[in-house]
Amino acid sequence: LAKTTQPISMDSYEGQEVNITCSHNNIATNDYITWYQQFPSQGPRFIIQGYKTKVTNEVASLFIPADRKSSTLSLPRVSLSDTAVYYCLVGDPGAGSYQLTFGKGTKLSVIP
Amino acid sequence: KAGVTQTPRYLIKTRGQQVTLSCSPISGHRSVSWYQQTPGQGLQFLFEYFSETQRNKGNFPGRFSGRQFSNSRSEMNVSTLELGDSALYLCASSLVTGVSYEQYFGPGTRLTVT
Repeated sequence: LAKTTQPISMDSYEGQEVNITCSHNNIATNDYITWYQQFPSQGPRFIIQGYKTKVTNEVASLFIPADRKSSTLSLPRVSLSDTAVYYCLVGDPGAGSYQLTFGKGTKLSVIP
Repeated sequence: KAGVTQTPRYLIKTRGQQVTLSCSPISGHRSVSWYQQTPGQGLQFLFEYFSETQRNKGNFPGRFSGRQFSNSRSEMNVSTLELGDSALYLCASSLVTGVSYEQYFGPGTRLTVT
């Protein structure tokens, strides 16, 4: 699985848009980019997955440039409940493997 | 639809003992994966089972083992417990679609080894 690099922590005020960028320079052709969210003492929760350009769901947007060497998770108008650790993962789900490699993640703190 | 359940939620064991953790996946999910989470190492993949067969294994010693039953329920066993095995053990289940890394995690079992 491709190695990912993301900021260790970020702070944001309530109501702001938060963008968390993940670097994955050695992403492979068949790799997808997936983001998970984890609250303290809970298991991670799937947020969004994409391959290229832009993906949007009811929770977040995922922006992937043409070279796919990075991706940005965008959380619109964050609230205190968005305080969590966010993980970026890169891999090929079509390979039949669910061996997910979670990095250190980005700890997002939302400030009132 | 019920989520992933794990039992027990909390466990305290003594060094040298063994422990068995249980995971019931979401109905219809045939893939079950196990992870260990510690403050120092983060989330680390232990192994994945699909249709009662281990498909992948992480970099953990042989003291960590698992199995999956025909109803997709899975158990993880750790023998000869060490202090460093204290962690949150997470189980995740998924539909094997081949196009998504969407896994559903349980609440975890908090294991403390004294």
